[in-house]
Order: sequence, then structure tokens, then C-alpha cells
Amino acid sequence: DVKVTQSSRYLVKRTGEKVFLECVQDMDHENMFWYRQDPGLGLRLIYFSYDVKMKEKGDIPEGYSVSREKKERFSLILESASTNQTSMYLCASSLSLTGVMNTEAFFGQGTRLTVV
Amino acid sequence: AQKVTQAQTEISVVEKEDVTLDCVYETRDTTYYLFWYKQPPSGELVFLIRRNSFDEQNEISGRYSWNFQKSTSSFNFTITASQVVDSAVYFCALSWGGGSQGNLIFGKGTKLSVKP
Repeated sequence: DVKVTQSSRYLVKRTGEKVFLECVQDMDHENMFWYRQDPGLGLRLIYFSYDVKMKEKGDIPEGYSVSREKKERFSLILESASTNQTSMYLCASSLSLTGVMNTEAFFGQGTRLTVV
Repeated sequence: AQKVTQAQTEISVVEKEDVTLDCVYETRDTTYYLFWYKQPPSGELVFLIRRNSFDEQNEISGRYSWNFQKSTSSFNFTITASQVVDSAVYFCALSWGGGSQGNLIFGKGTKLSVKP
């Protein structure tokens, strides 16, 4: 079974803090994603990575950065947390089959971040 | 622009009723992939089905069935004889391009409540 693990289920941070959200997958997937989920807005893509050290901005990258130093780990960084970044954050990974098909993404359990 | 629209925000049915969740997508790519995910109250998204743009054959899996119609850009999901355990938020998603692309966007989701 594919396992995507997010380091924390719940986090409470103060405004201005630097926040790291960690995600690890154990299936050697090339693609990894960070989404945030807010009521009425669905899942919005923040960043994705298709290889080590490679990253692409999603729809809402402002205020976030990412790091992918190893294939299995994809970190989301809030440089200076703000209250409008209070949300549920979901990490996902998928296999890349170049030229064949886009495979389904597997999701972690989510991290509910509250910025106070 | 790529877009997924789930017009139904919430649906409430009584157990054993049939229910259809609508999904309309927009893409200029000729190669694309459509997905449905289920998010139960526990929060983790669960993959249900993947369809590529070259395969319009409908699919049935137990009480679940999917109707893919390119002519109307729709990929609707029907649950037959709904059960309380079907209560969840359901997301339709779109991915495009070749297998190396990491893009995957979601609709805003439809919350299904099945009452006993």
C-alpha cells in the first residue's frame, strides 16, 4: 500500500513564525503536491514537484515555498505565517509514467494548521 | 484554461435512494485524465476512479457508476442504493498532458449526506 505521511495532524503557530510542514511517501513516486483545503473552495494547488530539486508553482504559491532534497520528502514552508494561512494542508504523491498516462494521486491524512 | 466545476455544493438523500454527482470540466488539451475522490469525515482523500480522454466507456463498480461524455465535457458519478457510509465530500479532478506533468486540479467538491 502506498503511504503518504504528514508529520503533524494538528499544528498551532504564531503569526510571523516560520513553519515547516513535512511530507514523506514510501512508493518512490516522482510527483509530489501540496494543496490547501478551505470550506467552499475545495483543494487548491500550492506547489508541485516532479523530481528532486524541481518545483512548479500551483495556483496559490504566494507566501509559501517548498523544498525537495530527496525523492521521498516534500516540505512546505511558510516563511512568515499569517492568520489567512490557517487551513487544512494536504500532501499527495503520484507515479509518473512519461508519455503513458497520468496516474492517480495518493493523499496524506492532512495537517490542520492554525495561525494565531 | 483548465477548470473543474461541481455545481452541487451539498446533496442530502435518504438511504437507498440513487444519487448523481455532477462534474463538468474544461481543458484545451486532447489528452487528459479525470478522477473522482472521496473524502470521508476522517479527512483522508480516497481515490475512486481514473478515466483518460480516449476512453469514453462508462464504468460500473458495485453500487458506483461513472458516465463520461466528451460531447458535454462531463464526468458524472452515480451511487445506486445509497448507504450512510457513502456520506462524504466527493471531489472531481482533472489532469492533462503527458505522464510527466504534475498538474492535478480539483473541483470544489460536493458534500453528500445520506440519512438513515
